[in-house]
Amino acid sequence: DAGITQSPRHKVTETGTPVTLRCHQTENHRYMYWYRQDPGHGLRLIHYSYGVKDTDKGEVSDGYSVSRSKTEDFLLTLESATSSQTSVYFCAISASTGGGNYGYTFGSGTRLTVV
Amino acid sequence: AQSVTQPDIHITVSEGASLELRCNYSYGATPYLFWYVQSPGQGLQLLLKYFSGDTLVQGIKGFEAEFKRSQSSFNLRKPSVHWRDAAEYFCAVFAISNFGNEKLTFGTGTRLTIIP
Repeated sequence: DAGITQSPRHKVTETGTPVTLRCHQTENHRYMYWYRQDPGHGLRLIHYSYGVKDTDKGEVSDGYSVSRSKTEDFLLTLESATSSQTSVYFCAISASTGGGNYGYTFGSGTRLTVV
Repeated sequence: AQSVTQPDIHITVSEGASLELRCNYSYGATPYLFWYVQSPGQGLQLLLKYFSGDTLVQGIKGFEAEFKRSQSSFNLRKPSVHWRDAAEYFCAVFAISNFGNEKLTFGTGTRLTIIP
Protein backbone atom coordinates (compact mmCIF):
# COMPACT_ATOMS: atom_id res chain seq x y z
CA ASP A 1 0.00 0.00 0.00
CA ALA A 2 1.14 3.54 -0.61
CA GLY A 3 3.37 4.83 2.19
CA ILE A 4 4.38 1.47 3.59
CA THR A 5 6.61 -1.18 2.06
CA GLN A 6 7.81 -4.53 3.30
CA SER A 7 10.92 -6.36 2.19
CA PRO A 8 11.51 -8.99 1.13
CA ARG A 9 8.14 -10.08 -0.27
CA HIS A 10 9.11 -13.74 -0.21
CA LYS A 11 11.87 -15.58 1.60
CA VAL A 12 12.86 -19.19 2.09
CA THR A 13 15.34 -19.86 4.85
CA GLU A 14 16.77 -22.82 6.71
CA THR A 15 15.99 -23.78 10.28
CA GLY A 16 18.38 -22.18 12.73
CA THR A 17 19.36 -19.21 10.60
CA PRO A 18 18.63 -15.61 11.60
CA VAL A 19 16.19 -13.67 9.43
CA THR A 20 15.36 -9.97 9.37
CA LEU A 21 12.25 -8.50 7.80
CA ARG A 22 12.01 -4.80 7.11
CA CYS A 23 9.08 -2.43 7.23
CA HIS A 24 9.55 1.06 5.82
CA GLN A 25 7.04 3.91 5.98
CA THR A 26 6.95 7.36 4.46
CA GLU A 27 3.94 8.62 6.48
CA ASN A 28 5.88 9.69 9.59
CA HIS A 29 3.40 7.71 11.72
CA ARG A 30 4.31 7.16 15.33
CA TYR A 31 3.01 3.60 15.70
CA MET A 32 4.26 0.53 13.84
CA TYR A 33 3.24 -3.09 14.28
CA TRP A 34 4.28 -6.56 13.22
CA TYR A 35 1.60 -9.22 12.84
CA ARG A 36 1.75 -12.79 11.66
CA GLN A 37 -1.14 -14.40 9.81
CA ASP A 38 -1.83 -18.11 10.00
CA PRO A 39 -4.89 -20.11 8.93
CA GLY A 40 -7.40 -20.37 11.74
CA HIS A 41 -5.65 -17.75 13.84
CA GLY A 42 -6.28 -14.54 11.97
CA LEU A 43 -3.69 -11.87 12.65
CA ARG A 44 -1.71 -12.04 15.86
CA LEU A 45 0.42 -9.22 17.17
CA ILE A 46 4.13 -10.01 17.52
CA HIS A 47 5.65 -6.67 18.57
CA TYR A 48 4.80 -3.04 18.21
CA SER A 49 6.52 0.30 18.49
CA TYR A 50 5.16 3.59 19.81
CA GLY A 51 8.20 5.66 18.92
CA VAL A 52 11.88 5.52 18.09
CA LYS A 53 13.55 2.99 20.38
CA ASP A 54 10.18 2.36 22.13
CA THR A 55 8.86 -1.13 21.57
CA ASP A 56 6.70 -3.63 23.38
CA LYS A 57 5.71 -7.27 23.09
CA GLY A 58 2.51 -8.55 21.60
CA GLU A 59 0.77 -11.86 22.18
CA VAL A 60 3.19 -14.09 20.19
CA SER A 61 6.59 -12.46 20.75
CA ASP A 62 8.66 -15.54 21.69
CA GLY A 63 11.46 -16.11 19.19
CA TYR A 64 11.20 -12.61 17.75
CA SER A 65 12.92 -9.31 18.41
CA VAL A 66 12.42 -5.85 16.92
CA SER A 67 14.27 -2.62 16.54
CA ARG A 68 13.30 0.88 15.58
CA SER A 69 16.25 3.23 15.31
CA LYS A 70 14.40 5.79 13.18
CA THR A 71 10.79 6.71 12.62
CA GLU A 72 10.49 5.20 9.17
CA ASP A 73 11.95 1.73 9.75
CA PHE A 74 10.78 -1.14 11.95
CA LEU A 75 12.77 -4.35 11.75
CA LEU A 76 11.59 -7.79 12.80
CA THR A 77 14.28 -10.40 13.51
CA LEU A 78 13.87 -14.11 13.95
CA GLU A 79 16.92 -14.96 16.01
CA SER A 80 16.98 -18.62 15.00
CA ALA A 81 14.22 -19.49 12.57
CA THR A 82 12.02 -22.52 13.25
CA SER A 83 9.43 -24.24 11.07
CA SER A 84 6.67 -22.90 13.35
CA GLN A 85 7.62 -19.42 12.19
CA THR A 86 6.61 -20.20 8.62
CA SER A 87 3.90 -17.62 8.10
CA VAL A 88 2.87 -14.46 6.34
CA TYR A 89 4.10 -11.39 8.17
CA PHE A 90 2.35 -8.05 7.94
CA CYS A 91 3.55 -4.66 9.02
CA ALA A 92 1.06 -1.93 9.87
CA ILE A 93 1.29 1.75 10.73
CA SER A 94 -0.99 4.11 12.57
CA ALA A 95 -0.98 7.83 13.26
CA SER A 96 -2.84 7.42 16.55
CA THR A 97 -3.57 11.04 17.11
CA GLY A 98 -5.69 10.29 20.17
CA GLY A 99 -9.22 10.78 18.92
CA GLY A 100 -8.42 10.89 15.25
CA ASN A 101 -8.19 8.07 12.79
CA TYR A 102 -7.59 4.71 14.48
CA GLY A 103 -7.41 2.75 11.29
CA TYR A 104 -4.22 0.97 10.43
CA THR A 105 -2.51 0.92 7.04
CA PHE A 106 -1.09 -2.47 6.18
CA GLY A 107 1.82 -3.48 4.01
CA SER A 108 1.50 -6.17 1.37
CA GLY A 109 3.10 -8.83 3.54
CA THR A 110 6.18 -11.03 3.57
CA ARG A 111 5.73 -14.74 2.98
CA LEU A 112 8.39 -16.56 5.00
CA THR A 113 9.04 -20.27 4.66
CA VAL A 114 11.41 -22.01 7.06
CA VAL A 115 12.64 -25.38 5.79
CA ALA B 1 -8.39 -8.38 27.82
CA GLN B 2 -10.32 -7.65 24.69
CA SER B 3 -11.26 -10.39 22.23
CA VAL B 4 -13.13 -10.76 18.97
CA THR B 5 -15.09 -13.77 17.77
CA GLN B 6 -16.09 -14.42 14.19
CA PRO B 7 -18.19 -17.58 14.43
CA ASP B 8 -18.33 -18.29 10.71
CA ILE B 9 -15.08 -19.57 9.21
CA HIS B 10 -16.43 -19.79 5.66
CA ILE B 11 -19.60 -18.45 4.02
CA THR B 12 -20.83 -19.04 0.49
CA VAL B 13 -23.45 -16.81 -1.10
CA SER B 14 -24.82 -16.35 -4.58
CA GLU B 15 -23.97 -13.25 -6.55
CA GLY B 16 -26.68 -10.66 -6.02
CA ALA B 17 -27.76 -12.11 -2.68
CA SER B 18 -27.55 -10.26 0.60
CA LEU B 19 -24.71 -10.85 3.04
CA GLU B 20 -24.25 -10.67 6.78
CA LEU B 21 -20.97 -11.52 8.50
CA ARG B 22 -21.07 -11.88 12.24
CA CYS B 23 -18.71 -10.37 14.78
CA ASN B 24 -18.91 -10.45 18.56
CA TYR B 25 -16.50 -8.66 20.84
CA SER B 26 -15.52 -8.69 24.47
CA TYR B 27 -14.20 -5.47 25.91
CA GLY B 28 -14.76 -3.75 29.24
CA ALA B 29 -15.06 -0.20 27.97
CA THR B 30 -16.66 1.38 24.95
CA PRO B 31 -15.08 -0.38 21.99
CA TYR B 32 -13.74 1.01 18.79
CA LEU B 33 -14.60 -1.52 16.11
CA PHE B 34 -13.38 -2.14 12.60
CA TRP B 35 -13.92 -4.35 9.60
CA TYR B 36 -11.05 -5.10 7.24
CA VAL B 37 -11.04 -6.99 3.95
CA GLN B 38 -8.17 -9.00 2.52
CA SER B 39 -8.12 -10.07 -1.11
CA PRO B 40 -5.95 -13.08 -1.99
CA GLY B 41 -2.24 -12.27 -1.78
CA GLN B 42 -2.90 -8.77 -0.54
CA GLY B 43 -2.67 -6.84 2.68
CA LEU B 44 -5.69 -5.71 4.68
CA GLN B 45 -7.86 -2.78 3.64
CA LEU B 46 -10.10 -0.86 6.03
CA LEU B 47 -13.80 -1.21 5.12
CA LEU B 48 -15.36 0.81 7.93
CA LYS B 49 -14.99 1.77 11.56
CA TYR B 50 -17.16 2.63 14.55
CA PHE B 51 -16.01 5.06 17.21
CA SER B 52 -19.20 6.55 18.64
CA GLY B 53 -22.48 8.13 17.62
CA ASP B 54 -24.72 6.60 14.99
CA THR B 55 -24.67 2.85 15.45
CA LEU B 56 -25.13 2.18 11.74
CA VAL B 57 -21.85 2.83 9.96
CA GLN B 58 -21.37 3.11 6.23
CA GLY B 59 -18.15 1.97 4.61
CA ILE B 60 -16.54 1.56 1.24
CA LYS B 61 -17.66 -0.84 -1.50
CA GLY B 62 -21.30 -0.65 -0.38
CA PHE B 63 -20.76 -2.28 3.02
CA GLU B 64 -22.34 -1.24 6.28
CA ALA B 65 -22.15 -2.46 9.86
CA GLU B 66 -24.35 -2.03 12.90
CA PHE B 67 -23.06 -1.73 16.44
CA LYS B 68 -25.35 -3.37 19.01
CA ARG B 69 -24.06 -2.84 22.52
CA SER B 70 -26.69 -5.10 24.10
CA GLN B 71 -25.52 -8.00 21.95
CA SER B 72 -21.81 -7.08 21.89
CA SER B 73 -21.99 -7.38 18.13
CA PHE B 74 -20.76 -5.50 15.10
CA ASN B 75 -22.11 -7.39 12.09
CA LEU B 76 -21.13 -6.50 8.55
CA ARG B 77 -23.81 -6.36 5.85
CA LYS B 78 -24.18 -5.80 2.15
CA PRO B 79 -27.54 -5.87 0.35
CA SER B 80 -26.24 -7.38 -2.90
CA VAL B 81 -22.84 -9.02 -3.25
CA HIS B 82 -20.66 -8.98 -6.34
CA TRP B 83 -18.11 -11.59 -7.41
CA ARG B 84 -15.38 -9.07 -6.55
CA ASP B 85 -16.43 -9.25 -2.90
CA ALA B 86 -14.92 -12.73 -2.60
CA ALA B 87 -12.21 -12.26 0.02
CA GLU B 88 -11.46 -12.77 3.68
CA TYR B 89 -13.04 -10.40 6.18
CA PHE B 90 -11.66 -9.53 9.57
CA CYS B 91 -13.38 -7.85 12.48
CA ALA B 92 -11.13 -6.03 14.97
CA VAL B 93 -11.47 -4.20 18.27
CA PHE B 94 -9.23 -1.39 19.41
CA ALA B 95 -7.97 -1.20 22.97
CA ILE B 96 -5.50 0.68 25.08
CA SER B 97 -2.67 -1.50 26.36
CA ASN B 98 -1.28 -1.46 29.88
CA PHE B 99 1.26 1.11 28.71
CA GLY B 100 -1.38 3.43 27.34
CA ASN B 101 -0.67 2.58 23.74
CA GLU B 102 -3.23 1.49 21.26
CA LYS B 103 -3.40 -1.78 19.44
CA LEU B 104 -5.91 -3.75 17.43
CA THR B 105 -7.05 -7.27 18.25
CA PHE B 106 -8.34 -9.24 15.27
CA GLY B 107 -10.84 -12.03 14.90
CA THR B 108 -9.86 -15.19 13.06
CA GLY B 109 -11.57 -14.10 9.87
CA THR B 110 -14.45 -15.22 7.65
CA ARG B 111 -13.72 -16.36 4.12
CA LEU B 112 -16.43 -15.33 1.67
CA THR B 113 -17.01 -17.30 -1.51
CA ILE B 114 -19.36 -16.00 -4.22
CA ILE B 115 -21.06 -18.40 -6.60
CA PRO B 116 -22.54 -17.27 -9.93
